[in-house]
Amino acid sequence: NAGVTQTPKFQVLKTGQSMTLQCAQDMNHNSMYWYRQDPGMGLRLIYYSASEGTTDKGEVPNGYNVSRLNKREFSLRLESAAPSQTSVYFCASSEAPGLAGWGGELFFGEGSRLTVL
Amino acid sequence: DQQVKQNSPSLSVQEGRISILNCDYTNSMFDYFLWYKKYPAEGPTFLISISSIKDKNEDGRFTVFLNKSAKHLSLHIVPSQPGDSAVYFCAASAGNTGNQFYFGTGTSLTVIP
Repeated sequence: NAGVTQTPKFQVLKTGQSMTLQCAQDMNHNSMYWYRQDPGMGLRLIYYSASEGTTDKGEVPNGYNVSRLNKREFSLRLESAAPSQTSVYFCASSEAPGLAGWGGELFFGEGSRLTVL
Repeated sequence: DQQVKQNSPSLSVQEGRISILNCDYTNSMFDYFLWYKKYPAEGPTFLISISSIKDKNEDGRFTVFLNKSAKHLSLHIVPSQPGDSAVYFCAASAGNTGNQFYFGTGTSLTVIP
């Protein structure tokens, strides 16, 4: 029962390098999300995908791009990494909310720790 | 600007006593609230939720209270156990644009045996 799987779990980059964080969920959820967690800042939404084929910016999208490859997979790309992007990244998924009577929860992966030197 | 705030970064409680974690929000459109628990090196896991049509939701040792007029919610854990030691995040969402969940900064709970 894998749930949400993120790869890699750890990565060290040099400033200016690029990389892609991969995320896959096996719960047939429509919505997927990328968050970053920083000390004293909590979890902040980078991008989300409400359904296959759509993506939208969250609170802190600058410096990132995303791709909703299919219903299962949602990747996060750093084109030119900066030290400010050193963080722990979490992918999450959920059932698509209805316009009313919203209820549901986010299911998170274990996180990817990224260090940019 | 932080729309969901947890003003206590940490809390220590004796085993068996009540733990009360607080959360405040600023957006009056929020109508669905969740609490997550996070252990080190793991992803957050869902604990309990409440919608704005209720003012209380209970699940075993965990109870969430919602005061809409004060834009405040709290999580009560009774009795507290050492295994409850973790970081707790509250989160909020607006139902009609419910794809975005806004998280607080977290409260680190330590339950002392």
